[in-house]
Amino acid sequence: DVKVTQSSRYLVKRTGEKVFLECVQDMDHENMFWYRQDPGLGLRLIYFSYDVKMKEKGDIPEGYSVSREKKERFSLILESASTNQTSMYLCASSLPGYRTDTQYFGPGTRLTVL
Amino acid sequence: DAKTTQPNSMESNEEEPVHLPCNHSTISGTDYIHWYRQLPSQGPEYVIHGLTSNVNNRMASLAIAEDRKSSTLILHRATLRDAAVYYCILRDNNAGNMLTFGGGTRLMVKP
Repeated sequence: DVKVTQSSRYLVKRTGEKVFLECVQDMDHENMFWYRQDPGLGLRLIYFSYDVKMKEKGDIPEGYSVSREKKERFSLILESASTNQTSMYLCASSLPGYRTDTQYFGPGTRLTVL
Repeated sequence: DAKTTQPNSMESNEEEPVHLPCNHSTISGTDYIHWYRQLPSQGPEYVIHGLTSNVNNRMASLAIAEDRKSSTLILHRATLRDAAVYYCILRDNNAGNMLTFGGGTRLMVKP
């Protein structure tokens, strides 16, 4: 069965801390994505990666960076966490191709920055 | 970008069919229509997708209007486990692999 896992379900960090959110997929998918979800704003794409060491900015990349050293793992990094980065973070993966492919999502990480 | 419009919320009784509408009047000829749902405290999950013809799978059916300006997701027998937010999404040709989620429809199922 298809599986996308995220390192934590809940995370509490302090302003200014460096935060790592990890995502692992076991489906050998080329594409991986990081979204954030906020009430009233829906899901917004932060970054995506279509291959190892490749990345593309999404709609809201400011304040974030990503790393993809291995095909199965895609990390989201908050270099210096701020309170406006308190949100639900969702990772997803998919096969290549863009019109019909399905994205598989992880359970999400609810991050609170104090 | 082609946008979708969905009702904010809908209610259904358990074991009755549910028709969830979506308007996408600016859809382009090659945009696929995707439906995802998000159960409480979970990430979104794929439900179904189509281009022009109606589609069926084990979860739902997708009815697409002849002019493609609207579509309807059909749950044939709603269960309490179908209570979720349902998102109608068009795949953006120019945005590669992105999915652009709107507000979705919150479906409430009454026992």
